[in-house]
Amino acid sequence: EAGVAQSPRYKIIEKRQSVAFWCNPISGHATLYWYQQILGQGPKLLIQFQNNGVVDDSQLPKDRFSAERLKGVDSTLKIQPAKLEDSAVYLCASSLHGGRLQETQYFGPGTRLLVL
Amino acid sequence: AQKITQTQPGMFVQEKEAVTLDCTYDTSDPSYGLFWYKQPSSGEMIFLIYQGSYDQQNATEGRYSLNFQKARKSANLVISASQLGDSAMYFCAMSQEYGNKLVFGAGTILRVKS
Repeated sequence: EAGVAQSPRYKIIEKRQSVAFWCNPISGHATLYWYQQILGQGPKLLIQFQNNGVVDDSQLPKDRFSAERLKGVDSTLKIQPAKLEDSAVYLCASSLHGGRLQETQYFGPGTRLLVL
Repeated sequence: AQKITQTQPGMFVQEKEAVTLDCTYDTSDPSYGLFWYKQPSSGEMIFLIYQGSYDQQNATEGRYSLNFQKARKSANLVISASQLGDSAMYFCAMSQEYGNKLVFGAGTILRVKS
């Protein structure tokens, strides 16, 4: 079974530029998550999708971050304009159903973003 | 609000010995789940073990076991017979009833010495 795919793996941009990350979850997984992991910290949830609907985006900085999962499969996370503090690893995860305590989330390799 | 605390920024262990990584949590909900993930230098988060708040027995998965002490709100990870490949960052995380989002601790770096 193929795992969660993410691209690009690395990205370097200058502040005020825009950037987009792509994620393809495990086939058949209904729920998709985007996490931000700043160096030295644990991941923090940015947004959670159940199929193509948003379940939780309470910690997404909506003035600059946007995400979509149009057909309920793959997803794109965008930052526009980027700030220095957006430098982080962006992790995508998926789970089979979502909303169940014991359900494991499977993570992709992440995209490392550096904003100069 | 949920909170996970990992008080050990870094740990060393000798190869083939056991090591315990500490995790305490705070929540007012009676129903929750506790996870441990491993993050090697490659960056991917690898699921290790799960414990539900109503589980009577401590979870075990191969060389990993979870020492769950509900009254003390602790969920320590025990790795037996450490291997060089266990060197990584380890995260404790909690999920709650609605939405299943994970709240992570700050992590513990484990280094296994030969």
